[in-house]
Amino acid sequence: RKEVEQDPGPFNVPEGATVAFNCTYSNSASQSFFWYRQDCRKEPKLLMSVYSSGNEDGRFTAQLNRASQYISLLIRDSKLSDSATYLCVVNRADSWGKLQFGAGTQVVVTP
Amino acid sequence: EADIYQTPRYLVIGTGKKITLECSQTMGHDKMYWYQQDPGMELHLIHYSYGVNSTEKGDLSSESTVSRIRTEHFPLTLESARPSHTSQYLCASSELVGGAFATNEKLFFGSGTQLSVL
Repeated sequence: RKEVEQDPGPFNVPEGATVAFNCTYSNSASQSFFWYRQDCRKEPKLLMSVYSSGNEDGRFTAQLNRASQYISLLIRDSKLSDSATYLCVVNRADSWGKLQFGAGTQVVVTP
Repeated sequence: EADIYQTPRYLVIGTGKKITLECSQTMGHDKMYWYQQDPGMELHLIHYSYGVNSTEKGDLSSESTVSRIRTEHFPLTLESARPSHTSQYLCASSELVGGAFATNEKLFFGSGTQLSVL
């Protein structure tokens, strides 16, 4: 079983709609959580960290559920420019510096 | 924008050749990483470094080697390239960010090197 699992999608979303997707992690020692965005054939870029109490950054909301071992990302009022692959990244407490990447969830926002 | 650079951006090379992928960052970061990514797949850590003269192997077995003689420079070398080495190679450096309640590690990636071995 992979340490970090994501639904690969694609999630086809009309412009202006809301989309949400999850990422599950298997190691309960996981301590830090992040969402990265990767455009086609480009490098990943940090979108936001995920904090225990949940956090929001503009149209993006991230949540953490430690009991069920998943994090989520919600995008409100989707823009065409939100089309990308969203990578879930987890940092285990017992291997600091060795981030575990999910394979990503592809989001396609359509006009 | 991140100040981390990779060269070359694309490389097509024949089997058996020795190649070096360059990675440089001007942010003074101690930690640096090399990841390998195939299309539609997750990033796999192949090497990392905590600082000068520190190199460690990552989770994915790799026939490549790295060196860290200077803080800003973390080159990756393949002594004898093979078609199975065809992939995208991403270099990254990191810094700690955060405040009173949480400290996290933020990765900055280079643009990557797309390697094709014929």
